[in-house]
Amino acid sequence: DQQVKQNSPSLSVQEGRISILNCDYTNSMFDYFLWYKKYPAEGPTFLISISSIKDKNEDGRFTVFLNKSAKHLSLHIVPSQPGDSAVYFCAASAPGQNFVFGPGTRLSVLP
Amino acid sequence: GAVVSQHPSRVICKSGTSVKIECRSLDFQATTMFWYRQFPKQSLMLMATSNEGSKATYEQGVEKDKFLINHASLTLSTLTVTSAHPEDSSFYICSARGPGRGNGYTFGSGTRLTVV
Repeated sequence: DQQVKQNSPSLSVQEGRISILNCDYTNSMFDYFLWYKKYPAEGPTFLISISSIKDKNEDGRFTVFLNKSAKHLSLHIVPSQPGDSAVYFCAASAPGQNFVFGPGTRLSVLP
Repeated sequence: GAVVSQHPSRVICKSGTSVKIECRSLDFQATTMFWYRQFPKQSLMLMATSNEGSKATYEQGVEKDKFLINHASLTLSTLTVTSAHPEDSSFYICSARGPGRGNGYTFGSGTRLTVV
């Protein structure tokens, strides 16, 4: 049973527009969430996090929104740039537990 | 920030030989490390969780006798692919969990294994 889902395997966006990547989870004990970015042939790198005590966290062009009642989080990238083309993973954890990763969404930003 | 070094980045080996991949946490102690495998255009597949000083916990379907994991110190975990076959060719990635949840896990840069 997948506890963290990213239902869109891929997404294409025009350069300069907003990219919205979605993530849903089923475990109500999850209270800390992360987004990672991964380029081909490299390991994932941390992008942004959010704790369940917040509903929004912003870092430059990246904003993560958390809707606890819907068990949904999203990553907004604005404006999108070609260098943002990568696979994005969301991850969630409950206190004292390992992180559970979603399957990833491949973002392509078209020039 | 936390850094995880994974070595080698690329390796080509002959069928039937064994290959060892190292994962080191450079500036923090990692009591838990994770090993993943990624097939082309697919997601990360967690293979096993490695705990310092104890046996690794393997995910369902992963052969523990084929993928030997050793976590002998707080900064080093190794994955040995034994009697490698061409179907073992893949991209292997390790990650380490730091002391807090902060930035989650720190990932190594990955190892591209090609078995010929």
